[in-house]
Amino acid sequence: GQSLEQPSEVTAVEGAIVQINCTYQTSGFYGLSWYQQHDGGAPTFLSYNALDGLEETGRFSSFLSRSDSYGYLLLQELQMKDSASYFCALAGYQKVTFGTGTKLQVIP
Amino acid sequence: GAGVSQSPSNKVTEKGKDVELRCDPISGHTALYWYRQSLGQGLEFLIYFQGNSAPDKSGLPSDRFSAERTGGSVSTLTIQRTQQEDSAVYLCASSLVDTQYFGPGTRLTVL
Repeated sequence: GQSLEQPSEVTAVEGAIVQINCTYQTSGFYGLSWYQQHDGGAPTFLSYNALDGLEETGRFSSFLSRSDSYGYLLLQELQMKDSASYFCALAGYQKVTFGTGTKLQVIP
Repeated sequence: GAGVSQSPSNKVTEKGKDVELRCDPISGHTALYWYRQSLGQGLEFLIYFQGNSAPDKSGLPSDRFSAERTGGSVSTLTIQRTQQEDSAVYLCASSLVDTQYFGPGTRLTVL
């Protein structure tokens, strides 16, 4: 099976940089995705890493290291609207498995 | 184009009643997922449909839960004899390759 671990909560200051880590166990997968979910809303896609390395999309970047079974989401120039839950997800050979989510609180 | 839609958006039912939740995926998406999310919790996988293959039902919590997908498009999640612990938001997502597109969810409340 597949399992993913994330910190449950992270707090960061507006304008700062924050990194949300995701470690996983799997027998094989296509890639690692990240999703954002605001309270009361549905998850929305942020980023996808099929290969090792860094993928940059505006203020958000995502990193994957298959050899370390590890990935992270990096948020730069934090804004108050970035306060949300962030989920990593493994795109496996059969289905997608989500992590437990990290609740990010951005404070002034 | 239209995204994933779900209906109803809210459903309040009495314990013991059956409910049906509907998901209309994005046209052409071959994969369809159902998840359950309790307040403040992560996404709990329920069931996965991929094309014409047999669905992956490994996440269904009990035999009271079932789902079908007709014509490779619309899906219905049925919960029989609802219990209070079934109260949650039920999310549907569809995908073509790896990126999942989520619907707005159905908030189910069992009294």
